[in-house]
Amino acid sequence: GAGVSQTPSNKVTEKGKYVELRCDPISGHTALYWYRQSLGQGPEFLIYFQGTGAADDSGLPNDRFFAVRPEGSVSTLKIQRTERGDSAVYLCASSLTEATDTQYFGPGTRLTVL
Amino acid sequence: EDQVTQSPEALRLQEGESSSLNCSYTVSGLRGLFWYRQDPGKGPEFLFTLYSAGEEKEKERLKATLTKKESFLHITAPKPEDSATYLCAVQGVGFNKFYFGSGTKLNVKP
Repeated sequence: GAGVSQTPSNKVTEKGKYVELRCDPISGHTALYWYRQSLGQGPEFLIYFQGTGAADDSGLPNDRFFAVRPEGSVSTLKIQRTERGDSAVYLCASSLTEATDTQYFGPGTRLTVL
Repeated sequence: EDQVTQSPEALRLQEGESSSLNCSYTVSGLRGLFWYRQDPGKGPEFLFTLYSAGEEKEKERLKATLTKKESFLHITAPKPEDSATYLCAVQGVGFNKFYFGSGTKLNVKP
């Protein structure tokens, strides 16, 4: 079946602009994670959804970052007033039910803030 | 705070030359330790989950082991297609987040 998909694959924006990054998890997966990965580093946890609710958003770096999952499937990561330091690959992962289940990652969205 | 340190940062092997990658971790109660493989431009691909010290898991040329402080990913007779970055992550008991190491970039030359 289809894996986790993320759109767009690449996003170039200017400093101060607003961006939205989309994640389509594997159908039926209730758990969804967002991560940020900088060059040469491992993924850094941002937020975890169980169903429609954010069960853990302790990794969001500041209030410019926000994520939603209104129907318990597709999720959108929203970044306001982007800064050059936000440039990274944003990864989404989903798992069947709980956080301990195997996570399946999408290919990521490469965000570049000029 | 939970931490994961991977070594070496990079490893170059000749095809057939076995070696091990290390993942040292600090966590207040281990819920699980996870190994992933990541190819350039792609998301991490799940390899193994280990839950308790002494546990071992194998898949083709890869074998993962776990102690109370570290995990090893042993690669036996590697092939060029094993070239990738290998990531280790831990999850603590009672927490949902995963802590990833910076990875070991493996290059296997024919």
